Amino acid sequence: GQNIDQPTEMTATEGAIVQINCTYQTSGFNGLFWYQQHAGEAPTFLSYNVLDGLEEKGRFSSFLSRSKGYSYLLLKELQMKDSASYLCAVRDLRNTPLVFGKGTRLSVIA
Amino acid sequence: EAQVTQNPRYLITVTGKKLTVTCSQNMNHEYMSWYRQDPGLGLRQIYYSMNVEVTDKGDVPEGYKVSRKEKRNFPLILESPSPNQTSLYFCASSLSPGQGKYEQYFGPGTRLTVT
Repeated sequence: GQNIDQPTEMTATEGAIVQINCTYQTSGFNGLFWYQQHAGEAPTFLSYNVLDGLEEKGRFSSFLSRSKGYSYLLLKELQMKDSASYLCAVRDLRNTPLVFGKGTRLSVIA
Repeated sequence: EAQVTQNPRYLITVTGKKLTVTCSQNMNHEYMSWYRQDPGLGLRQIYYSMNVEVTDKGDVPEGYKVSRKEKRNFPLILESPSPNQTSLYFCASSLSPGQGKYEQYFGPGTRLTVT
């Protein structure tokens, strides 16, 4: 089976750094994705990891450890507009659909 | 502009009245998928399609039908809607999953209420 775990909610202060963790248990591994979703809107792609290590893209970075079944999304210099849900998704085998975690709702406060 | 479109965006209907939610993409993507999203349950896949005339069940297919007669379109059909199908629905598309890194592009969502 497949299982993806993320914290349900997090709160952080504007200008700070926040790390959102994701752990997964899948029969295989063929990539991990992070999406951002503002309330009532469609998810939008943030990052993709398939090899161990850190992928950086502006204020957002994503890390993967395949041996630990673990990833995190790091958001720097938080802005109010970063208040959203962040979804971790894993593909366990080639040619199979993505499996999404339930998402982490991040609230950025002044 | 590359996009996934869904119609209608909002729909209120009654139990048992058949409805279709359309989904279309203009990116020549092979893979298309339908999800429903409910509070506390996250995104759950209903059906997906790897290419024309190829569809398969996701995690929650009961009460839904799909078809993929053309590459660009992937309609979701509710033959006899029930109140437990009240939800926010998303269509998504991408290149074939076997091609490695690709992201799914999501439509804007359809908020369905069944009374």
